[in-house]
Amino acid sequence: KAGVTQTPRYLIKTRGQQVTLSCSPISGHRSVSWYQQTPGQGLQFLFEYFSETQRNKGNFPGRFSGRQFSNSRSEMNVSTLELGDSALYLCASSLGPQGPLYNEQFFGPGTRLTVL
Amino acid sequence: GESVGLHLPTLSVQEGDNSIINCAYSNSASDYFIWYKQESGKGPQFIIDIRSNMDKRQGQRVTVLLNKTVKHLSLQIAATQPGDSAVYFCAENSGGSNYKLTFGKGTLLTVNP
Repeated sequence: KAGVTQTPRYLIKTRGQQVTLSCSPISGHRSVSWYQQTPGQGLQFLFEYFSETQRNKGNFPGRFSGRQFSNSRSEMNVSTLELGDSALYLCASSLGPQGPLYNEQFFGPGTRLTVL
Repeated sequence: GESVGLHLPTLSVQEGDNSIINCAYSNSASDYFIWYKQESGKGPQFIIDIRSNMDKRQGQRVTVLLNKTVKHLSLQIAATQPGDSAVYFCAENSGGSNYKLTFGKGTLLTVNP
């Protein structure tokens, strides 16, 4: 069974640009969560989707948005990039309706975003 | 967002020794806790979880202990191997069905052969 895949793996952008990151969950998983990982702040929750509905959002500005498609694939978008957005963006999927709660959560390898 | 700081606690052990990694969680309403392992260049990997109605849970070579009185979680790894070298994170759900996990700062475990 294929794991969680994320594309692209590496991305370099300049300030002010926007970026879209993609995540394909494990087949059959309907919950997708996104996290930002930086050396200074660690792993921080961005949002969680289940059946195309955003059920929770972390404390990030409105420049961070996401969506989930009917096939459970998910994308996140960051507009007007800032230097501080440089991070590893991780996607994780879970099987059941409880999402990451009480279910094993499987992470992808992440997308390394560098903002210059 | 939650602050986890710049400096990662480290633990260095000899191969074959037992390792204990500790975590203090913040929310007394949390009822679900998980340990993850993250190797360099990879995403976190689920190790073991525990619900708040339990004090102890065992897996293969790993044991998680939960002390709700002092809001403390620990991960014990038996007979630590070089392949166990990684950063270990605890996570909590902060109570309720909010579909969100809050991660701790992580501990870097180094296993010396």
